[in-house]
Amino acid sequence: NAGVTQTPKFRVLKTGQSMTLLCAQDMNHEYMYWYRQDPGMGLRLIHYSVGEGTTAKGEVPDGYNVSRLKKQNFLLGLESAAPSQTSVYFCASSYNSGRPNSGETQYFGPGTRLLVL
Amino acid sequence: RKEVEQDPGPLNVPEGATVAFNCTYSNSASQSFFWYRQDCRKEPKLLMSVYSSGNEDGRFTAQLNRASQYISLLIRDSKLSDSATYLCVGSRMDSNYQLIWGAGTKLIIKP
Repeated sequence: NAGVTQTPKFRVLKTGQSMTLLCAQDMNHEYMYWYRQDPGMGLRLIHYSVGEGTTAKGEVPDGYNVSRLKKQNFLLGLESAAPSQTSVYFCASSYNSGRPNSGETQYFGPGTRLLVL
Repeated sequence: RKEVEQDPGPLNVPEGATVAFNCTYSNSASQSFFWYRQDCRKEPKLLMSVYSSGNEDGRFTAQLNRASQYISLLIRDSKLSDSATYLCVGSRMDSNYQLIWGAGTKLIIKP
Protein backbone atom coordinates (compact mmCIF):
# COMPACT_ATOMS: atom_id res chain seq x y z
CA ASN A 1 0.00 0.00 0.00
CA ALA A 2 1.22 3.47 -0.85
CA GLY A 3 -0.62 5.04 2.11
CA VAL A 4 -1.19 8.75 1.54
CA THR A 5 0.37 10.38 -1.50
CA GLN A 6 0.48 14.03 -2.48
CA THR A 7 1.24 15.78 -5.73
CA PRO A 8 3.09 17.92 -6.47
CA LYS A 9 5.96 17.77 -3.99
CA PHE A 10 7.08 21.31 -4.65
CA ARG A 11 5.64 24.27 -6.52
CA VAL A 12 6.43 27.94 -7.07
CA LEU A 13 3.54 30.25 -7.92
CA LYS A 14 3.24 33.91 -8.70
CA THR A 15 0.73 36.00 -6.77
CA GLY A 16 -2.70 35.59 -8.31
CA GLN A 17 -2.07 32.22 -9.93
CA SER A 18 -4.21 29.23 -9.12
CA MET A 19 -3.34 25.62 -8.47
CA THR A 20 -4.73 22.36 -7.15
CA LEU A 21 -3.00 20.03 -4.73
CA LEU A 22 -3.99 16.40 -5.00
CA CYS A 23 -4.13 13.95 -2.14
CA ALA A 24 -4.85 10.25 -2.53
CA GLN A 25 -5.12 7.47 0.05
CA ASP A 26 -5.48 3.73 -0.47
CA MET A 27 -6.43 2.77 3.10
CA ASN A 28 -10.20 3.19 2.61
CA HIS A 29 -10.26 5.89 5.29
CA GLU A 30 -13.41 7.90 5.81
CA TYR A 31 -11.78 11.07 7.07
CA MET A 32 -9.38 13.25 5.18
CA TYR A 33 -7.72 16.53 6.12
CA TRP A 34 -5.67 19.36 4.69
CA TYR A 35 -3.22 21.15 7.00
CA ARG A 36 -0.66 23.84 6.59
CA GLN A 37 2.51 23.98 8.65
CA ASP A 38 4.42 27.19 9.20
CA PRO A 39 7.59 27.71 11.25
CA GLY A 40 6.95 27.95 14.99
CA MET A 41 3.31 26.99 14.65
CA GLY A 42 1.44 23.76 15.04
CA LEU A 43 -0.33 22.15 12.15
CA ARG A 44 -3.40 24.21 11.30
CA LEU A 45 -6.44 22.58 9.79
CA ILE A 46 -7.60 24.19 6.55
CA HIS A 47 -10.50 21.93 5.51
CA TYR A 48 -11.54 18.41 6.24
CA SER A 49 -13.94 15.76 5.00
CA VAL A 50 -15.81 13.08 6.91
CA GLY A 51 -16.83 11.17 3.81
CA GLU A 52 -17.19 11.16 0.06
CA GLY A 53 -19.07 14.22 -1.13
CA THR A 54 -18.74 16.12 2.15
CA THR A 55 -16.35 18.88 3.17
CA ALA A 56 -16.12 21.29 6.08
CA LYS A 57 -14.08 24.31 7.09
CA GLY A 58 -11.26 24.01 9.56
CA GLU A 59 -9.33 26.62 11.46
CA VAL A 60 -7.89 28.59 8.49
CA PRO A 61 -10.12 28.03 5.43
CA ASP A 62 -9.95 31.47 3.80
CA GLY A 63 -8.37 31.47 0.36
CA TYR A 64 -8.78 27.70 -0.09
CA ASN A 65 -11.43 25.39 -1.49
CA VAL A 66 -11.68 21.61 -1.41
CA SER A 67 -13.52 18.78 -3.06
CA ARG A 68 -13.95 15.12 -2.30
CA LEU A 69 -15.68 13.56 -5.26
CA LYS A 70 -14.16 10.13 -4.60
CA LYS A 71 -13.49 8.56 -1.22
CA GLN A 72 -9.80 8.11 -1.93
CA ASN A 73 -9.11 11.63 -3.19
CA PHE A 74 -9.15 15.02 -1.51
CA LEU A 75 -8.26 18.08 -3.57
CA LEU A 76 -7.14 21.45 -2.22
CA GLY A 77 -7.48 24.47 -4.48
CA LEU A 78 -5.96 27.91 -4.29
CA GLU A 79 -7.94 30.20 -6.58
CA SER A 80 -5.69 33.26 -6.33
CA ALA A 81 -2.45 32.55 -4.53
CA ALA A 82 -1.02 35.09 -2.07
CA PRO A 83 2.44 35.24 -0.46
CA SER A 84 0.77 34.47 2.90
CA GLN A 85 -0.06 31.04 1.50
CA THR A 86 3.62 30.13 1.27
CA SER A 87 3.76 27.07 3.48
CA VAL A 88 4.11 23.32 3.65
CA TYR A 89 0.80 21.60 3.01
CA PHE A 90 0.08 18.18 4.46
CA CYS A 91 -2.79 15.91 3.64
CA ALA A 92 -3.84 13.27 6.16
CA SER A 93 -6.44 10.58 6.49
CA SER A 94 -7.88 8.60 9.37
CA TYR A 95 -10.13 5.66 10.02
CA ASN A 96 -13.55 5.94 11.63
CA SER A 97 -13.65 3.46 14.49
CA GLY A 98 -17.04 4.68 15.65
CA ARG A 99 -15.67 5.34 19.14
CA PRO A 100 -16.78 8.81 20.28
CA ASN A 101 -14.14 11.42 21.10
CA SER A 102 -11.36 8.95 20.46
CA GLY A 103 -9.08 11.02 18.26
CA GLU A 104 -8.18 8.59 15.52
CA THR A 105 -4.59 8.19 14.34
CA GLN A 106 -3.93 10.36 11.33
CA TYR A 107 -1.69 9.20 8.51
CA PHE A 108 0.10 11.86 6.57
CA GLY A 109 1.32 12.34 3.05
CA PRO A 110 4.88 13.57 2.45
CA GLY A 111 3.78 17.18 2.03
CA THR A 112 3.78 19.83 -0.68
CA ARG A 113 6.11 22.80 -0.34
CA LEU A 114 4.51 25.87 -1.88
CA LEU A 115 6.26 29.15 -2.46
CA VAL A 116 4.18 32.12 -3.61
CA LEU A 117 6.18 35.03 -4.97
CA ARG B 1 -3.46 30.74 25.65
CA LYS B 2 -2.74 28.10 23.00
CA GLU B 3 -4.89 25.01 23.19
CA VAL B 4 -1.85 22.72 23.26
CA GLU B 5 1.39 24.31 24.36
CA GLN B 6 4.97 23.05 24.19
CA ASP B 7 8.38 24.55 24.69
CA PRO B 8 9.89 24.86 21.18
CA GLY B 9 13.39 23.94 22.30
CA PRO B 10 15.70 22.91 20.88
CA LEU B 11 16.78 20.39 23.47
CA ASN B 12 20.44 19.50 22.99
CA VAL B 13 21.12 16.21 24.72
CA PRO B 14 24.10 13.83 24.72
CA GLU B 15 23.54 10.34 23.39
CA GLY B 16 22.46 7.96 26.11
CA ALA B 17 20.82 10.59 28.28
CA THR B 18 17.18 10.64 29.33
CA VAL B 19 15.04 13.29 27.66
CA ALA B 20 11.80 14.73 29.01
CA PHE B 21 9.17 16.61 27.02
CA ASN B 22 6.30 18.48 28.59
CA CYS B 23 3.04 19.74 27.21
CA THR B 24 0.02 21.55 28.65
CA TYR B 25 -3.47 21.68 27.23
CA SER B 26 -6.66 23.69 27.57
CA ASN B 27 -10.17 22.37 28.08
CA SER B 28 -10.95 22.28 24.36
CA ALA B 29 -8.27 19.66 23.77
CA SER B 30 -8.91 17.28 26.58
CA GLN B 31 -10.16 13.97 25.33
CA SER B 32 -7.44 11.79 23.89
CA PHE B 33 -3.75 12.62 23.62
CA PHE B 34 -0.89 11.56 21.44
CA TRP B 35 2.74 12.14 20.72
CA TYR B 36 3.76 12.39 17.08
CA ARG B 37 7.29 12.53 15.77
CA GLN B 38 8.32 14.65 12.79
CA ASP B 39 11.71 14.30 11.15
CA CYS B 40 13.22 17.27 9.36
CA ARG B 41 11.30 18.02 6.15
CA LYS B 42 9.12 14.94 6.62
CA GLU B 43 5.55 14.29 7.62
CA PRO B 44 4.41 13.71 11.22
CA LYS B 45 4.02 10.09 12.31
CA LEU B 46 2.31 8.70 15.38
CA LEU B 47 4.80 7.82 18.11
CA MET B 48 2.37 6.76 20.79
CA SER B 49 -0.99 7.38 22.35
CA VAL B 50 -1.16 8.66 25.92
CA TYR B 51 -3.39 6.87 28.40
CA SER B 52 -4.55 8.12 31.78
CA SER B 53 -2.74 5.30 33.54
CA GLY B 54 0.50 6.04 31.75
CA ASN B 55 1.99 3.80 29.12
CA GLU B 56 5.35 2.57 28.00
CA ASP B 57 6.70 1.42 24.66
CA GLY B 58 10.30 0.32 24.83
CA ARG B 59 12.42 3.36 25.71
CA PHE B 60 9.41 5.69 25.56
CA THR B 61 7.06 6.48 28.42
CA ALA B 62 4.04 8.78 28.22
CA GLN B 63 2.12 10.19 31.16
CA LEU B 64 -1.11 12.16 31.44
CA ASN B 65 -2.11 14.28 34.43
CA ARG B 66 -5.67 15.46 33.89
CA ALA B 67 -5.80 17.44 37.14
CA SER B 68 -2.87 19.61 36.01
CA GLN B 69 -3.73 19.35 32.30
CA TYR B 70 -0.23 18.16 31.62
CA ILE B 71 1.26 15.51 29.35
CA SER B 72 4.81 14.23 29.34
CA LEU B 73 7.03 12.04 27.21
CA LEU B 74 10.22 10.44 28.46
CA ILE B 75 12.87 8.93 26.23
CA ARG B 76 15.42 6.77 28.00
CA ASP B 77 18.87 5.87 26.64
CA SER B 78 18.49 8.37 23.81
CA LYS B 79 19.96 7.58 20.42
CA LEU B 80 21.13 9.73 17.54
CA SER B 81 18.12 8.52 15.55
CA ASP B 82 15.79 10.07 18.14
CA SER B 83 16.69 13.52 16.81
CA ALA B 84 13.42 14.97 15.53
CA THR B 85 10.62 17.30 16.49
CA TYR B 86 8.09 15.86 18.94
CA LEU B 87 4.53 17.06 18.60
CA CYS B 88 2.03 16.95 21.45
CA VAL B 89 -1.50 16.43 20.16
CA GLY B 90 -4.96 16.44 21.73
CA SER B 91 -8.32 15.53 20.28
CA ARG B 92 -11.08 18.09 20.21
CA MET B 93 -13.74 17.76 22.91
CA ASP B 94 -16.60 17.79 20.45
CA SER B 95 -15.09 15.70 17.69
CA ASN B 96 -13.66 12.23 17.35
CA TYR B 97 -11.67 13.05 14.26
CA GLN B 98 -10.21 16.54 14.70
CA LEU B 99 -6.87 16.95 16.43
CA ILE B 100 -5.25 20.00 18.03
CA TRP B 101 -1.53 20.23 17.44
CA GLY B 102 1.22 21.68 19.56
CA ALA B 103 4.01 23.48 17.69
CA GLY B 104 6.52 20.82 18.68
CA THR B 105 9.75 20.55 20.61
CA LYS B 106 12.90 20.01 18.61
CA LEU B 107 15.31 17.40 19.97
CA ILE B 108 18.95 17.18 18.94
CA ILE B 109 20.92 14.18 20.19
CA LYS B 110 24.66 14.74 20.14
CA PRO B 111 27.26 11.96 19.90
